[in-house]
Amino acid sequence: IAGITQAPTSQILAAGRRMTLRCTQDMRHNAMYWYRQDLGLGLRLIHYSNTAGTTGKGEVPDGYSVSRANTDDFPLTLASAVPSQTSVYFCASSSSGSNEQFFGPGTRLTVL
Amino acid sequence: GQNIDQPTEMTATEGAIVQINCTYQTSGFNGLFWYQQHAGEAPTFLSYNVLDGLEEKGRFSSFLSRSKGYSYLLLKELQMKDSASYLCAVLDSNYQLIWGAGTKLIIKP
Repeated sequence: IAGITQAPTSQILAAGRRMTLRCTQDMRHNAMYWYRQDLGLGLRLIHYSNTAGTTGKGEVPDGYSVSRANTDDFPLTLASAVPSQTSVYFCASSSSGSNEQFFGPGTRLTVL
Repeated sequence: GQNIDQPTEMTATEGAIVQINCTYQTSGFNGLFWYQQHAGEAPTFLSYNVLDGLEEKGRFSSFLSRSKGYSYLLLKELQMKDSASYLCAVLDSNYQLIWGAGTKLIIKP
């Protein structure tokens, strides 16, 4: 693993189903983030974690949950997917002392 | 509210110079970032400005005026591979990044 990986790359999901998007980084960064990116809009922060064991809500947290059991992993769960959650989801991380964020390759999610 | 404005789309010619502007109104300011995003790919870091002035890095330069809430990204000697979206983002008082919608730059031969 080099940098940040996300899985799956893409997914088509029926409305009402539960889905977890995975994110793993090997840079030992303290902070991790989940964004969604929709056409015509900027990246919007869903949830973040400043360090393992802590999480916080971003701009658009409703319908999503996260956990941060260790430094490397930061999964995002959609408890009951809805069509408005169709988007491209990016995971990012940053080290303490630097505000530069490094992004994973993204997950393209379609909810029907 | 917080707002980042940048043009939706710009077109330029290979070999030329282009300036992409960004204006912002945010709750606090702890720096401004420019990222490049090729279609279907993740954003990648280009520059970070926290003090007023120009930061030069190869063919790319970024300028900041905090009093005007204004930044620009200058791309020189444009190459076809520079065709991408350029994202402006401001680090607010909570150290969260507020993102503009991005400027799609089209390079023509």
